[in-house]
Amino acid sequence: EAGVTQSPTHLIKTRGQQATLRCSPISGHTSVYWYQQALGLGLQFLLWYDEGEERNRGNFPPRFSGRQFPNYSSELNVNALELEDSALYLCASSLMGLAGGSSSYNEQFFGPGTRLTVL
Amino acid sequence: DAKTTQPTSMDCAEGRAANLPCNHSTISGNEYVYWYRQIHSQGPQYIIHGLKNNETNEMASLIITEDRKSSTLILPHATLRDTAVYYCISLRENTDKLIFGTGTRLQVFP
Repeated sequence: EAGVTQSPTHLIKTRGQQATLRCSPISGHTSVYWYQQALGLGLQFLLWYDEGEERNRGNFPPRFSGRQFPNYSSELNVNALELEDSALYLCASSLMGLAGGSSSYNEQFFGPGTRLTVL
Repeated sequence: DAKTTQPTSMDCAEGRAANLPCNHSTISGNEYVYWYRQIHSQGPQYIIHGLKNNETNEMASLIITEDRKSSTLILPHATLRDTAVYYCISLRENTDKLIFGTGTRLQVFP
């Protein structure tokens, strides 16, 4: 079974440009999560999409946005890039974000990430 | 979600058990303890999780104290490929985002 895939592997942009990162979840998974891992800051939750809708977002400015397509793949868009946006962007998928009222949590499977460098 | 604290780094000899501690003294009754690890340049990988009882799977064992204020992840026979940053995360049931701390950098040496 194919895991979570992300593209591109590396992306180099300059300040003020826009970046688009893509994620394909594991087949059958409906939830997609985005995380940012900046040097020295650890993994920070960015966005959660489920069934095509944004369900939650972390403490990031509005220039970080995204969407989820009918096939459950997702895009993360970062507008007006700043130097501090340089980071590894990780996508994860799970069967569903909220486990339907049960006490179990659906494990998040992570992709290899996209390394964004802003010059 | 409760804050977790972990040692910054640990060493372990290959073949020996690696015991990684985690404090979560403010954990509430409906919060699970999850462990992920991140091998260099890869995405985090789920290891194990538990609520009250000790848990074991093919990768590791999780020992949770009776008062649930701390836990220990045990890798019974560490290999060089277990060198990674290990994250302990407390998570309420029916929530979504993982909140990663700084984790413990485990170095397994020959």
